[in-house]
Amino acid sequence: KNQVEQSPQSLIILEGKNCTLQCNYTVSPFSNLRWYKQDTGRGPVSLTIMTFSENTKSNGRYTATLDADTKQSSLHITASQLSDSASYICVVSKTAGNKLTFGGGTRVLVKP
Amino acid sequence: SAVISQKPSRDICQRGTSLTIQCQVDSQVTMMFWYRQQPGQSLTLIATANQGSEATYESGFVIDKFPISRPNLTFSTLTVSNMSPEDSSIYLCSTQGSTNEKLFFGSGTQLSVL
Repeated sequence: KNQVEQSPQSLIILEGKNCTLQCNYTVSPFSNLRWYKQDTGRGPVSLTIMTFSENTKSNGRYTATLDADTKQSSLHITASQLSDSASYICVVSKTAGNKLTFGGGTRVLVKP
Repeated sequence: SAVISQKPSRDICQRGTSLTIQCQVDSQVTMMFWYRQQPGQSLTLIATANQGSEATYESGFVIDKFPISRPNLTFSTLTVSNMSPEDSSIYLCSTQGSTNEKLFFGSGTQLSVL
């Protein structure tokens, strides 16, 4: 079982609407949690990095939240645009050895 | 930030041949990594490329199959040797300045093995 589970696997939203992606993890001990955006045919690009003490972090229309007690994170996309169509990957870093565990990603398709 | 130039961007290869993927970073970086992303799946770390010494491979990956070079702090190569259709995947290099810093990725190499 993957230590980082993302849901949903995919979703379709209309342009201008909001959506929220979920990430649950069991990685321990936890160092930080990252969200990446991966456009088709491109490498992932960092959106946010949150450490244990951070509850929320924003990057433009992207807002990530973290609940380290329940080991859950979410990525909220506000007022979606066609360019938001991509895979969003949750990555959790383990304290020891900086080991990164990647979630399976959520594929988002924004339709006009 | 770091800008990574990765090439080739894609290739179609015959079974049994080898392909070398190159990554050039626009600045000196401490850590460089090579990942594989199989169709529809997330990233799996192949190895950490160590400057001036042998790469550190993850479980399931061996040097004979994926030889890696890192001659300096800005450049690395990954070779996929004796390819089979199961090696069809996206290969990505990435860099990180230090622990807890963001990872920067190359644009990836889409490899198809016939």
